[in-house]
Amino acid sequence: EIVLTQSPDTLSVSPGDRATLSCRASQSVDNYLAWYQQRPGRAPRLLIYDASTRAAGVPARFSGSGSGTEFTLIISTLQSEDVGVYYCQEYKRWPPEAFGQGTKLEIQ
Amino acid sequence: QLALQESGPGLVKPSETLALICNVSGDSFNSYAYYWGWIRQPPGKGPEWMATITHTGTTYYRPSLQSRITMSVDTSKKQFSLMLKSVRAADTAVYYCACHNAHGWFEAWGLGLLVTVSS
Repeated sequence: EIVLTQSPDTLSVSPGDRATLSCRASQSVDNYLAWYQQRPGRAPRLLIYDASTRAAGVPARFSGSGSGTEFTLIISTLQSEDVGVYYCQEYKRWPPEAFGQGTKLEIQ
Repeated sequence: QLALQESGPGLVKPSETLALICNVSGDSFNSYAYYWGWIRQPPGKGPEWMATITHTGTTYYRPSLQSRITMSVDTSKKQFSLMLKSVRAADTAVYYCACHNAHGWFEAWGLGLLVTVSS
């Protein structure tokens, strides 16, 4: 079983600053990793797939990187609408079972 | 534009069976490119994939739930459903239906339905 561990649990960032979120896999998932944003009271929304490819309509301030077991999501210039919880998900195995526990992003 | 919407009870008694339906709008339901799934999110926790079905009826279940879970599909109505039997308090969660592709990432989610298991 692949376990995804996200850090930190909560991140407070000032508007305009950079936010860096991490996701670590218990074993290599190559680049088979996605990131989702869940705004308060909303369903998760796909941001990034294949570790670094932005989904359609996702602003360029969102970027993903990493491979193997270490992954990062960066929001380059934080905006108020970016608050929410961010999840990573691996899909190296089929069907895709594992999600991280989430990082809550707050505006400072 | 693909859209999904869950329906079902908000409250289920322990030991009973939870039955949920997902209605899909858009033209992708009969596509071999898409897989239809259920994901749940217990309060304060991350999402948990539960099960997936194709439009031809092939199912994939989470091993820890396999003994209690059944999915089915109705292509004429563009619906798929979930049955979870012998529910307990730990099954309390927001239940989402979602669509993923053959690669494995989830492209679209429903709004979610809070299901509480309580007597």
